[in-house]
Amino acid sequence: NAGVTQTPKFQVLKTGQSMTLQCAQDMNHEYMSWYRQDPGMGLRLIHYSVGAGITDQGEVPNGYNVSRSTTEDFPLRLLSAAPSQTSVYFCASRSETGAYYEQYFGPGTRLTVT
Amino acid sequence: RKEVEQDPGPFNVPEGATVAFNCTYSNSASQSFFWYRQDCRKEPKLLMSVYSSGNEDGRFTAQLNRASQYISLLIRDSKLSDSATYLCVVTSGGFQKLVFGTGTRLLVSP
Repeated sequence: NAGVTQTPKFQVLKTGQSMTLQCAQDMNHEYMSWYRQDPGMGLRLIHYSVGAGITDQGEVPNGYNVSRSTTEDFPLRLLSAAPSQTSVYFCASRSETGAYYEQYFGPGTRLTVT
Repeated sequence: RKEVEQDPGPFNVPEGATVAFNCTYSNSASQSFFWYRQDCRKEPKLLMSVYSSGNEDGRFTAQLNRASQYISLLIRDSKLSDSATYLCVVTSGGFQKLVFGTGTRLLVSP
């Protein structure tokens, strides 16, 4: 059972470059999200999706785009990388049974922008 | 003010000790509460949900105080393997987004 997978694990970009972080889940979860984690800041929500074709902004959406064409995939696009986007990025998907939530995270992508 | 606040620690305890962490949240409308565990350079994983009546899972006990808006986690008989960062999480807003605290670091020594 793969769970939530992310690629790549590591990436170095130059300022101004664009790239897409891939995320896929095989648990048929409707809810997926992207977070970034920075020292002293905790996990901050970038974008989320409650189902295929539906996305919305989180706490720190600027500089990032997302789309959700299938239930399984939720890619995150960096439009023009900046050093401030150096971070660890986690994708997550969530099962919901009534009021119970269990959120599963991918292993993360460590991004450095120079 | 941050929506979820935690003491960053680190809490240094010997094996076998009992240790407790608290977390406060500001949104009185929050409905669900969790503790996640994150090992160094790994992804967070759900440790336990926190229920109004309090709940226990082996050596771990979680409590919720809605009136004072805080959540606690108690770890008894600490093991070396408990060394990690513990993240307090609450739900917020429409679609019950998860809001994470910055985490409390625990170091258990022999």
